[in-house]
Amino acid sequence: EAGVAQSPRYKIIEKRQSVAFWCNPISGHATLYWYQQILGQGPKLLIQFQNNGVVDDSQLPKDRFSAERLKGVDSTLKIQPAKLEDSAVYLCATRSYNSPLHFGNGTRLTVT
Amino acid sequence: GQQVMQIPQYQHVQEGEDFTTYCNSSTTLSNIQWYKQRPGGHPVFLIQLVKSGEVKKQKRLTFQFGEAKKNSSLHITATQTTDVGTYFCAGRAGSNYKLTFGKGTLLTVNP
Repeated sequence: EAGVAQSPRYKIIEKRQSVAFWCNPISGHATLYWYQQILGQGPKLLIQFQNNGVVDDSQLPKDRFSAERLKGVDSTLKIQPAKLEDSAVYLCATRSYNSPLHFGNGTRLTVT
Repeated sequence: GQQVMQIPQYQHVQEGEDFTTYCNSSTTLSNIQWYKQRPGGHPVFLIQLVKSGEVKKQKRLTFQFGEAKKNSSLHITATQTTDVGTYFCAGRAGSNYKLTFGKGTLLTVNP
């Protein structure tokens, strides 16, 4: 099966600019997650979708981060405005019922 | 909130030596999963443990889930250079499929 697709692979922006990441899940995977992985740390959950509804966004910095999954398939994560501490790899992961997480290759964001 | 702690943070071994990483949760878990992330890669699922005291083996890898379902370990026998990477445990508590990841243990193997 095709894996979780993410783009772009890398992004460099200046602080206060905005950026968007895109994720296309494995076909049929209803649950989609966005994780932030800072260098040397484990993935930290930002938001979890079940189809197009938000299940958990308790750790999403809502003053600057937003995410949507309008048709229950693709998802976008946006940061506006970016801060230096947002430099990280943003991982999208998806799963079907009772399956483990399948991660995409991630987007490495550098904020200068 | 739920916290998952993992030790050690780093482990360097000679090829052929054994390796163990430990994971502890602040809350009782419904299950625990282990993932491996190669340098520059993304986490890849290894295994899930559900039952109290469960032990599972995958070739040279042995996974254990504690009796109280709050701790787990991953043991690699006779490490190989292909074992290099960061090993993460991820705990799930409650009915919502929300995984909390530990910080991981970075394993390097000297050939």
